[in-house]
This record gives sequence, C-alpha cells and structure tokens, in this order.
Amino acid sequence: QKEVEQDPGPLSVPEGAIVSLNCTYSNSAFQYFMWYRQYSRKGPELLMYTYSSGNKEDGRFTAQVDKSSKYISLFIRDSQPSDSATYLCAMSRTDSWGKLQFGAGTQVVVTP
Amino acid sequence: DGGITQSPKYLFRKEGQNVTLSCEQNLNHDAMYWYRQDPGQGLRLIYYSQIVNDFQKGDIAEGYSVSREKKESFPLTVTSAQKNPTAFYLCASTPIAGADTQYFGPGTRLTVL
Repeated sequence: QKEVEQDPGPLSVPEGAIVSLNCTYSNSAFQYFMWYRQYSRKGPELLMYTYSSGNKEDGRFTAQVDKSSKYISLFIRDSQPSDSATYLCAMSRTDSWGKLQFGAGTQVVVTP
Repeated sequence: DGGITQSPKYLFRKEGQNVTLSCEQNLNHDAMYWYRQDPGQGLRLIYYSQIVNDFQKGDIAEGYSVSREKKESFPLTVTSAQKNPTAFYLCASTPIAGADTQYFGPGTRLTVL
C-alpha cells in the first residue's frame, strides 16, 4: 500500500465549476502538506503549503487538511481552461529532513 | 532571471551507455534534489544534497550517481546499471536545508533506445 493515495483521474469539469481534489495518507507522522500543479512536460509548481489542520485560502485556491482523518483536499473555484493540468499532493514528516512523499497526481481537464 | 535550469530537454541513450543530466540553479539555494517521474507513480526521490561535497541516497538510488562540487550545480549520471532508465527526470532545490517548499526545474525526458 502506498503511503499517499491520489485518484489519477482524469477529472473533467466545465469552465466556472469548482474542482475538488483530494489525497489520503496512512502515516500520521506527516505534518506538512503541499499541492503542486504540473503542466504537461513541465516541472511542478508549488501552489499551496500548509502545516496544520484547517483551511488555507489563496485566491481561487483553498487547501484543507484533516489530520484526524488523514485526508487533504484542494478546491479550485471558478475554474478556467488554464487550470487544466495534473495536480500533485505532497507531504513530509518532521523526522525526515526535506524528503517529500508525493501522490501519483490527478489530471484535471477544464472544458470551455 | 533566477531559476533552475535542466539540460538537455530531451535525451536519447543507447543501452549500455552512461549519460549525465545537468541541473544548475542561480537562486543561491542550499539543498538540491533529483526525482524520477513515471506515469501513474508520482515523483520518487533519487538523490539529494544539503551542502556542497555531501549527498545522500533517496528511495531509488540504484543505478544512479551524483556529485555536488559547486553550490549551484548538481549533475545526475544515469549508469548502464539502471535497468529501466526511460523516464522524466526533475531537479529541485530549496532555500535552506530542511525546508519543505521545493522549487522544480523544467525536467529532462530520457529515452533509452
């Protein structure tokens, strides 16, 4: 069983809809959580970084962490065709210096 | 412009050959990383380095080697011992050792013929 599970999709939504993405994890030692966006054949780009349970908002993006359920989410409001990409969750433990565990990524397609 | 550069963008290798992928950063970041990305598997850590002249194995180091002679450079060699080297290779860096927010380069696509 992988430490971090993420549905690979593809997830297809119409323009303007809310995109809902999530990851589950098995190790309660994970304390820091990140979401990256990756366009095809490009390097990942950091979108959100959180380190506690609760919500964090940045523009159209909201990251949610529920440590009790070992579940994290990313919501994209008012989705645009330019949001079409693969979204990767990543997380790290306090006892594992700088070593991230990544989910496999969810492909999102926003149709005009 | 500050950033991470990887070269070449595409690389083809014959079986049995070693090949070196370049990673350079002008961000003055301390730590650098190499990942491999395969379809449906996410990113897997190959090697990482916190400071010059020091590096550690990641989860899948077999068949790979690295060096860190300069702060800005962290080249990765894919040796003939790597059984399945065709993949997308990503280099990343962080401002200080121990930081979680990694910044990625554009990647190199390696194909073994």
